[in-house]
Amino acid sequence: DTEVTQTPKHLVMGMTNKKSLKCEQHMGHRAMYWYKQKAKKPPELMFVYSYEKLSINESVPSRFSPECPNSSLLNLHLHALQPEDSALYLCASSQGQGAPAGELFFGEGSRLTVL
Amino acid sequence: RKEVEQDPGPFNVPEGATVAFNCTYSNSASQSFFWYRQDCRKEPKLLMSVYSSGNEDGRFTAQLNRASQYISLLIRDSKLSDSATYLCVVPLGGNKLVFGAGTILRVKS
Repeated sequence: DTEVTQTPKHLVMGMTNKKSLKCEQHMGHRAMYWYKQKAKKPPELMFVYSYEKLSINESVPSRFSPECPNSSLLNLHLHALQPEDSALYLCASSQGQGAPAGELFFGEGSRLTVL
Repeated sequence: RKEVEQDPGPFNVPEGATVAFNCTYSNSASQSFFWYRQDCRKEPKLLMSVYSSGNEDGRFTAQLNRASQYISLLIRDSKLSDSATYLCVVPLGGNKLVFGAGTILRVKS
């Protein structure tokens, strides 16, 4: 069982809808990530929060808005998405500073379909 | 040159075979490297870390060649359950990680 929990597992939304993806971890990790993965492609980094501050934004369009309310939670707010944004959105966490940067724990993902 | 490159495969091998994948990286400053496994429609899971010359865990061995800037993953005595996509991951600093495109392994009975 994954220790990173993502909700919802599946989401279908129209291009005018506003929705949010949620991610929670209780491992005391201080870095949290959003990745986007299209079929047959590797995960692509979108955002990184380190100690609850946004540290990396990989030039993601503003229709994706991340939020880190506290060290255990990470949200991704979605607004005015396009059909090409349909993908698996993966949340991950890692221990943070002082720990190996590549040891990520992923959630099961939220599979998003934009109509 | 891409930051991380992998042969996409697929590698089709019989049960019991030994199979090896390579991953080349361009950032000579990277100190640590990781192999992840991803099953179809599932999330990636950490398989092995490589910090210096290599790492061994049961049937799996990961090696690092700094001079040639590649890491390898060797799987001995392949099982049907080893069928998956194997992703090479290279940290670039500051929590930024780059995933390779992945190598597909299919183990057949």
